[in-house]
Amino acid sequence: DSGVTQTPKHLITATGQRVTLRCSPRSGDLSVYWYQQSLDQGLQFLIQYYNGEERAKGNILERFSAQQFPDLHSELNLSSLELGDSALYFCASSVERASYNEQFFGPGTRLTVL
Amino acid sequence: DAKTTQPPSMDCAEGRAANLPCNHSTISGNEYVYWYRQIHSQGPQYIIHGLKNNETNEMASLIITEDRKSSTLILPHATLRDTAVYYCIVRAPHGGQGGKLIFGQGTELSVKP
Repeated sequence: DSGVTQTPKHLITATGQRVTLRCSPRSGDLSVYWYQQSLDQGLQFLIQYYNGEERAKGNILERFSAQQFPDLHSELNLSSLELGDSALYFCASSVERASYNEQFFGPGTRLTVL
Repeated sequence: DAKTTQPPSMDCAEGRAANLPCNHSTISGNEYVYWYRQIHSQGPQYIIHGLKNNETNEMASLIITEDRKSSTLILPHATLRDTAVYYCIVRAPHGGQGGKLIFGQGTELSVKP
């Protein structure tokens, strides 16, 4: 158990819909990262928040957005869903040290778009 | 961040040491080597990291060559539960504000009875 929780575990929805994925980081971790894992693209970084502020963006579509709340939990919002958005979405958290950081991953949310 | 090269797959007999190589010939002086693994569809799991010296923890050992252009992750007594995809990642420090992990294809390790 990494200490990172994600809800829901599974999500099945239809094209065009909007969903929200939730992540609670480990206690004390200020950074939250979101990654997407699809069969053809592998694990890809989407976005990072650090203490409530967006810190870095990766290959995140404009239809996707995220935020980190004052209690440090984070939500990833996916809208106008397409079949290709079906994937595993992982959240990771980290306590950032000056020189290195280990990221601890949650169990993921499996999104299926029909 | 430097690019890494890993063999796509490896087999290991249960109880034997699993030695997973990683080439990172373009690594810079301040870049760390990290290893993660992902057991089928679970979240990736941090294993170990190092800069120059060899490192050991309860999960594994990390051997980094003197020129730092390659490294080997050693699982001393592999079990069936070690069957997973192992990722070698090289990245520089980000001043305490974090940084993304760039996952390659990794090495799929199969531990066989």
